[in-house]
Amino acid sequence: QSVLTQPPSASGTPGQRVTISCSGSSSNIGRNTVHWYQQFPGTAPKLLISGNNQRPSGVPDRFSGSKSGTSASLAISGLQSEDEADYHCATWDDSLKGPVFGGGTKLTVL
Amino acid sequence: QLVQSGAEFKKAGESLKISCEGSGYSFTSYWIIWVRQMPGKGLEWVGMIYPGDSDIRYSPSFQGQVTISADNSISTAYLQWSSLKASDTAMYSCVRLSSGRFDPWGQGTLVTVSS
Repeated sequence: QSVLTQPPSASGTPGQRVTISCSGSSSNIGRNTVHWYQQFPGTAPKLLISGNNQRPSGVPDRFSGSKSGTSASLAISGLQSEDEADYHCATWDDSLKGPVFGGGTKLTVL
Repeated sequence: QLVQSGAEFKKAGESLKISCEGSGYSFTSYWIIWVRQMPGKGLEWVGMIYPGDSDIRYSPSFQGQVTISADNSISTAYLQWSSLKASDTAMYSCVRLSSGRFDPWGQGTLVTVSS
């Protein structure tokens, strides 16, 4: 059972907009910034969004993040086949004094 | 970047130490976090170390199950087990804590434990 709650799966067709949610609590998302990672099978997670809504250099602007209260969301617009991957949310937890992660969402491009 | 040691295939009861070498930055100035990912599952925090003063913190779920250490002379952090269990089979990754975000990640070390 992960500390942060994500839907296990999401799907969309090419060109569509898809959102993935991440729900936490006052000790983690409520007090700290949220980061999103993209992971392909057999590879390490790659930073996609940091600080709730900042895209690192090289990440397409089709990817965006937002946060409100104890929840955060990742949005992918203009869905492409190469976006098919697992997506993880992460943040710091002040009570645990360590990082916490979501269970990951497997995105399928139909 | 962070570069991890290669895949390991062990038997239950054996010991193991995997490594994570940092390069291109001041190794002693950033926390290194260890993360577990079991097959088909999400990411879990194992523990972390600040090489600068050897401050070590463990997730309550892993306290007493693993040991984290570092050798600053070779910019390397370690995760070790004294007696592996089949349930330790997973991918273990190291990642740097940098300005509140977890980046970059090592490439991961697959640990397979047979019973």
